Amino acid sequence: EDKVVQSPLSLVVHEGDTVTLNCSYEVTNFRSLLWYKQEKKAPTFLFMLTSSGIEKKSGRLSSILDKKELFSILNITATQTGDSAVYLCAVKRGVGSYGGSQGNLIFGKGTKLSVKP
Amino acid sequence: GAVVSQHPSWVICKSGTSVKIECRSLDFQATTMFWYRQFPKQSLMLMATSNEGSKATYEQGVEKDKFLINHASLTLSTLTVTSAHPEDSSFYICSAQRNRAGPYEQYFGPGTRLTVT
Repeated sequence: EDKVVQSPLSLVVHEGDTVTLNCSYEVTNFRSLLWYKQEKKAPTFLFMLTSSGIEKKSGRLSSILDKKELFSILNITATQTGDSAVYLCAVKRGVGSYGGSQGNLIFGKGTKLSVKP
Repeated sequence: GAVVSQHPSWVICKSGTSVKIECRSLDFQATTMFWYRQFPKQSLMLMATSNEGSKATYEQGVEKDKFLINHASLTLSTLTVTSAHPEDSSFYICSAQRNRAGPYEQYFGPGTRLTVT
């Protein structure tokens, strides 16, 4: 059965700290791995990773994928209270993986990050 | 670009009634839309995949007669929760897939909070 596992489930840090969020996966017909940030409503897109070893950066956030070891990490440096959210990792599968439509996502349970002032 | 809207954002209905939720891609065409459900403190769970002009593909355990999906055009998909019960209370999120030459991406709507009393 395809699955995406995130760790830790919950994390509390202080402003200025650096955090690393983990995502491992076991998925047939892997296409890409995506990171989302979810606050009170629907997730907002952060990164999409398709190739191993290429770091994606956006401001204080960065992410990298290891397709050999089947995991990805999301780093947040110099955390701010506005970074408090649930961070979701999702893997996109290709056509025919399980009979579903092309490109649908399997989500991990998320990591709840709380940044204290 | 790539904005997805949902309507309504919040609805309360009585047990036994039906509720329709709309998902629109505002500035792009989406041949495929996905419907997710999220219970409190849980991750997104895919309910069904909606393809324009054809029947939706439902995930295992999702009753297709209860959750009616219509993808009438390239910019609109609707989810109707029929004969709603309190256990259907949840956060329903749609996403729309925009076709590109490269890897596909999904864009999420803001979600609809359904409360069945």
